[in-house]
Amino acid sequence: DQQVKQNSPSLSVQEGRISILNCDYTNSMFDYFLWYKKYPAEGPTFLISISSIKDKNEDGRFTVFLNKSAKHLSLHIVPSQPGDSAVYFCAAKDGGYNKLIFGAGTRLAVHP
Amino acid sequence: EAGVTQFPSHSVIEKGQTVTLRCDPISGHDNLYWYRRVMGKEIKFLLHFVKESKQDESGMPNNRFLAERTGGTYSTLKVQPAELEDSGVYFCASSQPGTVNTEAFFGQGTRLTVV
Repeated sequence: DQQVKQNSPSLSVQEGRISILNCDYTNSMFDYFLWYKKYPAEGPTFLISISSIKDKNEDGRFTVFLNKSAKHLSLHIVPSQPGDSAVYFCAAKDGGYNKLIFGAGTRLAVHP
Repeated sequence: EAGVTQFPSHSVIEKGQTVTLRCDPISGHDNLYWYRRVMGKEIKFLLHFVKESKQDESGMPNNRFLAERTGGTYSTLKVQPAELEDSGVYFCASSQPGTVNTEAFFGQGTRLTVV
């Protein structure tokens, strides 16, 4: 049973526009959420995180929004750049454990 | 400072053979994790070391998988005997000690193909 779901396997966005990547979770015990970016033949790289006590965290062009009642989070990238083209993974952590529970990833393509 | 390094980057073995993957975490990182991604699906947790102790091995698929971290430094993940379904990319990650909500740093992964 997948506890973290990224229902869009791929997303295509024009350069300069906003990219919105979505993630849903089922476990109400999750209290910390992270986004990782992955380029081909590389490991995932940490991008941004948010604690469950917040509903928004911003870092430059990247903003993560958390809606606890809906068990939904999203990553906004604005403006999108070609270098943002990668696979983005949503991950969650249960406070009692250190392990990360990942979604299947969304492949973002930013085109000119 | 060096990041998390994994060896080898690729491995192709026949069904029934043994393969050992190695991970060198970032120096000073007591937490070491193994994950696996199969067929482009989600990245799945395998196990977690704190120093040399196995903190959580709930994700290990079966007893053909053996992970060790002697001396609390590098770790090895041995698959014996390998089966076709073991193919995938194996990631190692590490994080600082004594922290709960912090990011883990990942290695580049080992792509294992069992034929």
